[in-house]
Amino acid sequence: DAMVIQNPRYQVTQFGKPVTLSCSQTLNHNVMYWYQQKSSQAPKLLFHYYDKDFNNEADTPDNFQSRRPNTSFCFLDIRSPGLGDAAMYLCATSRNGGDTQYFGPGTRLTVL
Amino acid sequence: EDQVTQSPEALRLQEGESSSLNCSYTVSGLRGLFWYRQDPGKGPEFLFTLYSAGEEKEKERLKATLTKKESFLHITAPKPEDSATYLCAVQGTGGFKTIFGAGTRLFVKA
Repeated sequence: DAMVIQNPRYQVTQFGKPVTLSCSQTLNHNVMYWYQQKSSQAPKLLFHYYDKDFNNEADTPDNFQSRRPNTSFCFLDIRSPGLGDAAMYLCATSRNGGDTQYFGPGTRLTVL
Repeated sequence: EDQVTQSPEALRLQEGESSSLNCSYTVSGLRGLFWYRQDPGKGPEFLFTLYSAGEEKEKERLKATLTKKESFLHITAPKPEDSATYLCAVQGTGGFKTIFGAGTRLFVKA
């Protein structure tokens, strides 16, 4: 089945230690998104790629960066995680940006 | 500024007790309104997309409706397996950003 896959499902890191989260898709969608979701809160868009074009939200901290080496893969890099970065990180895709987004299962990040 | 407000925050129902969840939105030009279901510790699962006022969509016990200011998710004769958080989101015509509400946590007791 076509799907959005995130690895790892659970990630534990230490304060200040860089971490990379991975997302892959078999839907061949043009747009890939990264969201941060804290407990009982709405998912918050960090950035998205339309093909190779990167779009950063104005309030996304510089500590968060992303890479999309090809259509199928997208990575979220957190350069120096703080305690406040502990959250669920969700990857989503959509065909052309103006349509339905399909989400992966998420990566739960814990910062010690 | 685009905004989505969902109510109630939490809803407890008995099995078979029908009810509705509300999503009020403010957006400069609606491209689409989306409903998702999210189970604890999982990613949101797509339910419906609505594009224009008056549109309705149904799936099993769920029915979504849309007006110019709000959307409702009607749940008919819910079952315990319908327990989840239901998220509403909107996308305006100004770009690809999708704004989510905080969700309604639904608990259905057998």
